[in-house]
Amino acid sequence: ILNVEQSPQSLHVQEGDSTNFTCSFPSSNFYALHWYRWETAKSPEALFVMTLNGDEKKKGRISATLNTKEGYSYLYIKGSQPEDSATYLCAFIRYRVSSGSARQLTFGSGTQLTVLP
Amino acid sequence: AAGVIQSPRHLIKEKRETATLKCYPIPRHDTVYWYQQGPGQDPQFLISFYEKMQSDKGSIPDRFSAQQFSDYHSELNMSSLELGDSALYFCASSLVGNHNEQFFGPGTRLTVL
Repeated sequence: ILNVEQSPQSLHVQEGDSTNFTCSFPSSNFYALHWYRWETAKSPEALFVMTLNGDEKKKGRISATLNTKEGYSYLYIKGSQPEDSATYLCAFIRYRVSSGSARQLTFGSGTQLTVLP
Repeated sequence: AAGVIQSPRHLIKEKRETATLKCYPIPRHDTVYWYQQGPGQDPQFLISFYEKMQSDKGSIPDRFSAQQFSDYHSELNMSSLELGDSALYFCASSLVGNHNEQFFGPGTRLTVL
C-alpha cells in the first residue's frame, strides 16, 4: 500500500493571500508526481506533471516544486482568487520495475481550498 | 480538442441488477483507467488497460469486470450491484511516454437503490 499524504486537509484564505500545500509520497521507485485541480461537479484537471528531482513548474499564479529524494512536493498559489477555490489532489506514480512501465496513480486525499472574497 | 467521453452520465439501478459504463478515450491515447469515488472519499483506482490488455489492477471487486475494445473504448461491467457501489465512476486516458498524464472524463454517477 502506497501512502500519499496531503496537508492541510482544508484551508480557508482571504482573496489576495498566498498559500501552499504539501504532498508527501514514497521516495523509492519514483516515476512521476501529478497535481490535479478538482472543482465540484467537474472532473479532475491536470495542473502539473513532475518527473525530475528539483523540478519547478509554473502556470500563471500557481507553481509547484518537487523533491524526489525526500518524497515531497509543494504547490504554491500566489495572490489567491475566489476562482482558485477547489480541491487540489496530488497523485504519485511508482515505477514498475517488473514491467518497465508505470500505470497506476495513487491519489492523496486532497487539500480543499476556499478563497474568501 | 476532443476529451474523454463517458456514458451514461447518470445511472440509477436497483440492488442485484447489472450496470455497464462506457468510456471513450481521447483519440490516439493508448491507456484507459477506471476510478471509483464514493461519497466524501478519495478517488480509488480500479483497473487500467494498455493497448487492449489489462495493465494494472487496483481495488476492483470480483463482481466488476472491464475490457478495452479494438477501437480503444472501454466498458466497466458491474454485476450484483450493492448499495455501496453508489459512487462517481471516472474514466481517464493517457498516452504512454507522457509520464501518464491523465485526462479525465466527466464521470458517471451511479446510484443503487
